[in-house]
Amino acid sequence: ELKVEQNPLFLSMQEGKNYTIYCNYSTTSDRLYWYRQDPGKSLESLFVLLSNGAVKQEGRLMASLDTKARLSTLHITAAVHDLSATYFCAARGFNDYKLSFGAGTTVTVRA
Amino acid sequence: DAGVIQSPRHEVTEMGQEVTLRCKPISGHNSLFWYRQTMMRGLELLIYFNNNVPIDDSGMPEDRFSAKMPNASFSTLKIQPSEPRDSAVYFCASSLKGGYGYTFGSGTRLTVV
Repeated sequence: ELKVEQNPLFLSMQEGKNYTIYCNYSTTSDRLYWYRQDPGKSLESLFVLLSNGAVKQEGRLMASLDTKARLSTLHITAAVHDLSATYFCAARGFNDYKLSFGAGTTVTVRA
Repeated sequence: DAGVIQSPRHEVTEMGQEVTLRCKPISGHNSLFWYRQTMMRGLELLIYFNNNVPIDDSGMPEDRFSAKMPNASFSTLKIQPSEPRDSAVYFCASSLKGGYGYTFGSGTRLTVV
């Protein structure tokens, strides 16, 4: 069974500084997803990473994938308040349809 | 595209009552997933369908839970009888087989009192 672990689970960020969220998965996966969830809202897709070495960037967020280490990272550059949310990573196993989610990282950005 | 549509958005019911949650996937998507989100257990996959056929229901917690997908544009998740521990947010998601994206609905917040 594919298991996904995120750390940290809680992250208090100071505005303007850089931070990284880590996502490890237990078995071979062919796709790695990052989602954002605001309180009381649905999951919003941020990135889909398909291959080793893949890097995607959108605004202050950058995600990367190392399939050999079974590790994905979400890097936040110069945090701003509107990035406060819970971030989930999810992995999909080979020849599978379903996503296995990490526990989520709750991010709070303070002035 | 209207996205994945779930109803109702909120449901409050008494223990022992039957609850039915509804989902309309994105047109053309052939995979549908039901997830449950709680503080204690996070996001758990309950069941998923491919081409309207249930493929994996191993996440359905008990016989009190059942799910159907009578056609490509509609699915239900039923809990009978409901219990307080079923209180959670239930999300429906759909995807296109071979595609990359999974789109989640707005969720149904269920409270069983």
